[in-house]
Amino acid sequence: GQQLNQSPQSMFIQEGEDVSMNCTSSSIFNTWLWYKQDPGEGPVLLIALYKAGELTSNGRLTAQFGITRKDSFLNISASIPSDVGIYFCAGPLFTGNQFYFGTGTSLTVIP
Amino acid sequence: KAGVTQTPRYLIKTRGQQVTLSCSPISGHRSVSWYQQTPGQGLQFLFEYFSETQRNKGNFPGRFSGRQFSNSRSEMNVSTLELGDSALYLCASRPPGTAGNTIYFGEGSWLTVV
Repeated sequence: GQQLNQSPQSMFIQEGEDVSMNCTSSSIFNTWLWYKQDPGEGPVLLIALYKAGELTSNGRLTAQFGITRKDSFLNISASIPSDVGIYFCAGPLFTGNQFYFGTGTSLTVIP
Repeated sequence: KAGVTQTPRYLIKTRGQQVTLSCSPISGHRSVSWYQQTPGQGLQFLFEYFSETQRNKGNFPGRFSGRQFSNSRSEMNVSTLELGDSALYLCASRPPGTAGNTIYFGEGSWLTVV
């Protein structure tokens, strides 16, 4: 099946640092979604991107839809302890209906 | 607007038993999909229902089944439970129309098989 390559797999950063993670695919996506999941909870949608080249912010979070439609990145600025969790990308293929998910980036913020 | 609601949140079952999980989508959402999440396998797609019809199906054995009701609520059933079925089961709903490329998850149902 379609794979979404997400990197890095894990990050350990100091509070206040900026964070960057990305997702790449071998196929074209028509939407890129970024979620955060806390332990034992369901994923919460952070940002949705619908157009190639689109750059969208949500507070300290910024995400971009790559112009090739095959990648996306998520940046978190000035990290705080509550940013801890697993972040993953997702989206449907340009030609399909089914959603595919990245393997996740585990973020640890050290106070 | 209420989010996706899943019940029960936690349950423990014995091998060989069956289990039914319930999902109520966001009001107005007619598409409901189910996912299994385990530490080793990540999010695995089970199936998607739209207007009471299964629209897509993942690569899971026939022990996993689902259905959707006319009010868009959905249930999934796992029969003859195995230890490996222990996982977080997530339900997600999609809005209609052009916003349908976004899915919203519930909090999940934690299933432990002993």
